[in-house]
Amino acid sequence: TQLLEQSPQFLSIQEGENLTVYCNSSSVFSSLQWYRQEPGEGPVLLVTVVTGGEVKKLKRLTFQFGDARKDSSLHITAAQPGDTGLYLCAGRHYNTDKLIFGTGTRLQVFP
Amino acid sequence: GAVVSQHPSWVICKSGTSVKIECRSLDFQATTMFWYRQFPKQSLMLMATSNEGSKATYEQGVEKDKFLINHASLTLSTLTVTSAHPEDSSFYICSATGESRHEQFFGPGTRLTVL
Repeated sequence: TQLLEQSPQFLSIQEGENLTVYCNSSSVFSSLQWYRQEPGEGPVLLVTVVTGGEVKKLKRLTFQFGDARKDSSLHITAAQPGDTGLYLCAGRHYNTDKLIFGTGTRLQVFP
Repeated sequence: GAVVSQHPSWVICKSGTSVKIECRSLDFQATTMFWYRQFPKQSLMLMATSNEGSKATYEQGVEKDKFLINHASLTLSTLTVTSAHPEDSSFYICSATGESRHEQFFGPGTRLTVL
């Protein structure tokens, strides 16, 4: 059972555009992480958010954890071709402590 | 961030053989290690969780006799796919947490192809 739904599933945009990826669940998480994965490689941790309402910025990437700790968003400003990849959110379940992955968003940024 | 390595990075084997995949935490002691499986165009699915010195906990639907996990030390976990079949072909990724349970680091993955 997939607990975390990401939207959109696919996104193709031009360089310089802004985008937002959403990660939603009916479950509450103790923390939420965002990863980026390249083909044939393992996921690379981008950020961890722990507190409800928390906002973290990583250069052109802005991450927000929902107040209720059930959802999160990733906003990329002025996307670049180097941002191309699979973006995965992952929530740590309160009761089991397991990290459950979202369905993924495949981003393609064209020059 | 912390470094997790996997070996081999890819393996091709004949149906019926067993394959062992190693996962190591290189610069930290991993209290817990996880094994995930990823099919093409899909997200990661948790297979099992293991703590050093104790038996692994498997997710529903994952055969523990087929996917043997040994967490021998705080820096090493192994996954053995026994009597592999073509449907076991997948991308296997291990992961580990250290002192901070909120941060989980992933290995580069192992591509298993069973002919």
